[in-house]
Amino acid sequence: DTEVTQTPKHLVMGMTNKKSLKCEQHMGHRAMYWYKQKAKKPPELMFVYSYEKLSINESVPSRFSPECPNSSLLNLHLHALQPEDSALYLCASSQVTTGKLTGELFFGEGSRLTVL
Amino acid sequence: GENVEQHPSTLSVQEGDSAVIKCTYSDSASNYFPWYKQELGKGPQLIIDIRSNVGEKKDQRIAVTLNKTAKHFSLHITETQPEDSAVYFCAASIWGRGSTLGRLYFGRGTQLTVWP
Repeated sequence: DTEVTQTPKHLVMGMTNKKSLKCEQHMGHRAMYWYKQKAKKPPELMFVYSYEKLSINESVPSRFSPECPNSSLLNLHLHALQPEDSALYLCASSQVTTGKLTGELFFGEGSRLTVL
Repeated sequence: GENVEQHPSTLSVQEGDSAVIKCTYSDSASNYFPWYKQELGKGPQLIIDIRSNVGEKKDQRIAVTLNKTAKHFSLHITETQPEDSAVYFCAASIWGRGSTLGRLYFGRGTQLTVWP
């Protein structure tokens, strides 16, 4: 069973709505990630947080706003999205040991987003 | 940046047969190669990984081989079962202190179907 929990599993929103995706892990991992996955494609990296600080933003539009309130939680705030933003949004986490990342990414089940 | 090619894109085998999926990578600095299994409607699940200081790794019916010189790595599944049916993604990355965090470069995926 995955130990990365994402809510909600499904979300339908209009282009003017504001919503948030949430991710939680209790494995003590200090790196957390947001990925976007379109149908029949591999996951694409969006953001990386390391020790609760944003370390990578893959030139994601500002209508996606990540937040890492503490070491166990990761949010993705959504505002003024476009229909082409409909996708599966995956959260992942990985361990950091004595300053070194171990490499293993553990993914959640994802939040399937539909923008009308 | 890194470029990962994965073949084949679809693979059908009879239950009990073996399945092999192959990937090549372009960046000789890549040192971590995970394989993910993604079932329909679920997030990717790490099934096995290999680091560049190892040539082969085995876990029950699953094995991965790495040829650093040729820059290719393969996933081998023996005695396939219908529950092995899923999309399999290979990935390559550089991990370690000071490395680029979370940059998993994925292959395009292989849809494996195991017929009973």
